[in-house]
Amino acid sequence: KQEVTQIPAALSVPEGENLVLNCSFTDSAIYNLQWFRQDPGKGLTSLLLIQSSQREQTSGRLNASLDKSSGRSTLYIAASQPGDSATYLCAVSSTGNQFYFGTGTSLTVIP
Amino acid sequence: GAGVSQSPSNKVTEKGKDVELRCDPISGHTALYWYRQSLGQGLEFLIYFQGNSAPDKSGLPSDRFSAERTGGSVSTLTIQRTQQEDSAVYLCASSLNSGRGRIQYFGAGTRLSVL
Repeated sequence: KQEVTQIPAALSVPEGENLVLNCSFTDSAIYNLQWFRQDPGKGLTSLLLIQSSQREQTSGRLNASLDKSSGRSTLYIAASQPGDSATYLCAVSSTGNQFYFGTGTSLTVIP
Repeated sequence: GAGVSQSPSNKVTEKGKDVELRCDPISGHTALYWYRQSLGQGLEFLIYFQGNSAPDKSGLPSDRFSAERTGGSVSTLTIQRTQQEDSAVYLCASSLNSGRGRIQYFGAGTRLSVL
């Protein structure tokens, strides 16, 4: 069974800093990997999806990378803002059907 | 309002009762997923529907859990004889089955509390 780990569990940074969130997975035979954010009391919002054949995806201030051989993905957030405060979740799928989620990184950006 | 809709948003029930949770996916999305998010834990996959294919039920934790999807649209997750450990947020997601990949769109969830 795929196991997904996210480090750190919590992170607090001052506004304007660049930061990196980490996700590792045990089975490198993946179909795709997805990063989400979850705001308190709300569902998940998809941020970036990386197919197994891709190395990275970018959307605005966000950049996600994928290294299948080492079982790692990173989410880079540039010039962080208080509105970025949320829990960030990484999800990995081996078949495109069943997704395995990490427990998330809780990010707080301090104004 | 084209997002995934879940109802009820909150459900409090007594141990041993049955509950039904509803999910209305985004119109046109052929894939539908149910997850469970327990306090302090990651999302746990429960079941996946794709079109008219047989669902992937491999994540259902026990035979007290079942789900159906009528007409390829609305889905209902049923938990029979609820237990306190069933207390969690139940999330539904839908996606297109496209070559671009299955970006999942989530509903706000149903918070289930079993007393």
